[in-house]
Amino acid sequence: LAKTTQPISMDSYEGQEVNITCSHNNIATNDYITWYQQFPSQGPRFIIQGYKTKVTNEVASLFIPADRKSSTLSLPRVSLSDTAVYYCLGGADYGGSQGNLIFGKGTKLSVKP
Amino acid sequence: DAGVTQSPTHLIKTRGQQVTLRCSPKSGHDTVSWYQQALGQGPQFIFQYYEEEERQRGNFPDRFSGHQFPNYSSELNVNALLLGDSALYLCASSTRTGVIGYTFGSGTRLTVV
Repeated sequence: LAKTTQPISMDSYEGQEVNITCSHNNIATNDYITWYQQFPSQGPRFIIQGYKTKVTNEVASLFIPADRKSSTLSLPRVSLSDTAVYYCLGGADYGGSQGNLIFGKGTKLSVKP
Repeated sequence: DAGVTQSPTHLIKTRGQQVTLRCSPKSGHDTVSWYQQALGQGPQFIFQYYEEEERQRGNFPDRFSGHQFPNYSSELNVNALLLGDSALYLCASSTRTGVIGYTFGSGTRLTVV
């Protein structure tokens, strides 16, 4: 499973776009990149997953360059309720073997009014 | 559609005691994983159960044990509690047939005094 590195914390203001970059230099060929969001005293919540290029859903976009050594989670027009810890994970394809998840310390995003 | 349900939500135990935590997976999910999350850290994988057997295990001592029942629900048991076992214990459910992402419960906050 890929070891990931991401900033410890980020600050933003309501209405801004937030980009959180994650480094995963040793990502394996079959590894996907997955992001989770966690609010205090709650379990992590799956946000988005991708393998390469760009993936977009109703919550966020995920950009993965061709070399796949990094990825960027993009949150459009954040609100106060987006204040949370965001985890970047690299791991096996969820469509097959259900491997365990390896979490780092994540990025604590603080959104201010 | 109920998500992952964990009980109890909070628990206080004394050093040396034993504790049992319970988890009901999301409807349609057959795999249950347990994670320990210390304050300020990311969740750490304890073990995973599928078909009532432990399939994978993280770096946790034998004091941590578990069980999965025929209805896919699961228990986490911790014996001889230490102060360092104080943490948020998270249960995550998934399937082995292609669902992207795990669904986490809100956790059990265990305090050992």
